[in-house]
This record gives sequence, C-alpha cells and structure tokens, in this order.
Amino acid sequence: EDKVVQSPLSLVVHEGDTVTLNCSYEVTNFRSLLWYKQEKKAPTFLFMLTSSGIEKKSGRLSSILDKKELFSILNITATQTGDSAVYLCATSGTYKYIFGTGTRLKVLA
Amino acid sequence: EPEVTQTPSHQVTQMGQEVILRCVPISNHLYFYWYRQILGQKVEFLVSFYNNEISEKSEIFDDQFSVERPDGSNFTLKIRSTKLEDSAMYFCASMQEYNYGYTFGSGTRLTVV
Repeated sequence: EDKVVQSPLSLVVHEGDTVTLNCSYEVTNFRSLLWYKQEKKAPTFLFMLTSSGIEKKSGRLSSILDKKELFSILNITATQTGDSAVYLCATSGTYKYIFGTGTRLKVLA
Repeated sequence: EPEVTQTPSHQVTQMGQEVILRCVPISNHLYFYWYRQILGQKVEFLVSFYNNEISEKSEIFDDQFSVERPDGSNFTLKIRSTKLEDSAMYFCASMQEYNYGYTFGSGTRLTVV
C-alpha cells in the first residue's frame, strides 16, 4: 500500500532557528513529490521535486529529494512567525497524490 | 492568478440530508479531484476525475458519494445521506496535466449535526 510518512509530527522553534522537515514515502509508479504549506484553509504549493539531488529554493525555503532512499527534506532557515503552519508532503501514485499527516510547525517570537 | 473556486465555504446540514459541494476548477485544467480533511487529521483522497469519468476512487468514496461535471465548468461532489462522520473540510483540486501538481480550492467546511 502506498504511504507517506512525515516527521516530526510537530515542532516548536524560536524565530531565527533553522528547521528540517522530513518526508519518506513508498509508492508504486513514483513520479513526483510535492510540498505544501497549510495555514487556515487550503494547502498552498511550495515545491515539486522529480529528480534526485537537485535542490529547489524559494527564499528561505529549500527542498531536496533522494529517490534512492525514498525521502525528501524541507529546510526553512531564519524562521519567522509567519512560517507557523502545517507542512504537507505528497507523492504521486497512479492518477493521484497521497498526503502525509503533515508536520505542525510553530515559530515563537 | 487563476483559482479553483469552491462554494459554499461552510455548510451545516442535518444527518441524513443530501448535500452538493460545488467547485469551479481552473479552465484549462484536465484532472479534477476531491479530498477531505477531518479536523486535525490528514488530507485524504476521495476521487479523481479525468475525461468525464472517474479514474480512481478511495474506500471512503462509497455509494453515498457521487461526482459530476454537468456543464464543462462545474465539478460537484454529492453526498446522498450525510452521516456525522462526514463532517470535514472538503477540498477540490485541479491539475493542468498529470504530474504538474495540484491547485487547491479554499475548501468547504461541512458540518453534519
């Protein structure tokens, strides 16, 4: 059965800290891995990763995929209170993406 | 920027009633999905729809659920006889081509009382 496991489940840090969120997966017909940020309502897209070892960056956020070890990490440097959210990882199975439970990040001022 | 639009944003219904949740996907997108998220839990796949038919559905998507794309723009999820455990946030998502990543709608919060 396809599955996506995220760790840690929750994390509390102080502003300025760097965090690393983990996502491991087992899916048949892997095509891509997505990271989303979910605040109040709908998840908003962060990254899509398809190739191993190529880092994607957007400001203070970056992510990388390891297709051999079947995991991805999402790094956030110099965290801000606005980074507080649930971060979702999803991988593509056949015709759909499967989501992990998410990592709840709380950044304290 | 194009958006996926969902209505209503919040619906309260009595157990046993039928509800229809509506979605307008992005116009040039080809793949459509419904997901749900029970409060505090993970985003769960319900159904995918492509080329005017269901391409995959989960175990959650039983006979009380149905989807339609009645007019080429709207994409609806019908729950025939709601149960308390159907209370959740329901997200519609669309995708331009397969493996491009989803755009989610803002969700409909369904409360069954």
